[in-house]
Amino acid sequence: DSGVTQTPKHLITATGQRVTLRCSPRSGDLSVYWYQQSLDQGLQFLIQYYNGEERAKGNILERFSAQQFPDLHSELNLSSLELGDSALYFCASSVGTSGRRDTQYFGPGTRLTVL
Amino acid sequence: GQNIDQPTEMTATEGAIVQINCTYQTSGFNGLFWYQQHAGEAPTFLSYNVLDGLEEKGRFSSFLSRSKGYSYLLLKELQMKDSASYLCAVKGGSYIPTFGRGTSLIVHP
Repeated sequence: DSGVTQTPKHLITATGQRVTLRCSPRSGDLSVYWYQQSLDQGLQFLIQYYNGEERAKGNILERFSAQQFPDLHSELNLSSLELGDSALYFCASSVGTSGRRDTQYFGPGTRLTVL
Repeated sequence: GQNIDQPTEMTATEGAIVQINCTYQTSGFNGLFWYQQHAGEAPTFLSYNVLDGLEEKGRFSSFLSRSKGYSYLLLKELQMKDSASYLCAVKGGSYIPTFGRGTSLIVHP
């Protein structure tokens, strides 16, 4: 158990819908990262928040957005869902943001299925 | 940008030793990570290298050569539970790790 929690574990929805994925980082970690993992792709970095502020952006679609709240939990919002959005979504947390040794610890993931 | 290459799949026998290679090209280098991921589960941290050489941790060791853009993960005394995907991740100048596609290791009796 990494100490990172994610809810829900599974989510099944229809095309065109909107969903929210939630993540709570390890105690003491200030950075939260979101990743997408599909069968034909590796772990794709979406976005990073550090202490409530957006710090880095990866291959995140405009239909997707995220935020980190004052209690440091984060939410990833996915809207106008398409079949291709079906994937495992992981949240990871780390202590800081720029340390070399700063290690990411991953949550159990949310499996999103878009029908 | 960054480019990371790992073999797609490897097989090995229980009790044996296996070496999983990772080559990378990156602008800026701030460390290389290895993660283990069982199917449908979260990646779990195995090792971190930022200086050249070998880091040993129990049955697992990881090696880095920065000049060659090369790392390997060595797994000794293989067990069936070691069947998993092994992800190489490089932290470049942006400090955000880029992950390779992973090497699926199959351990058979």
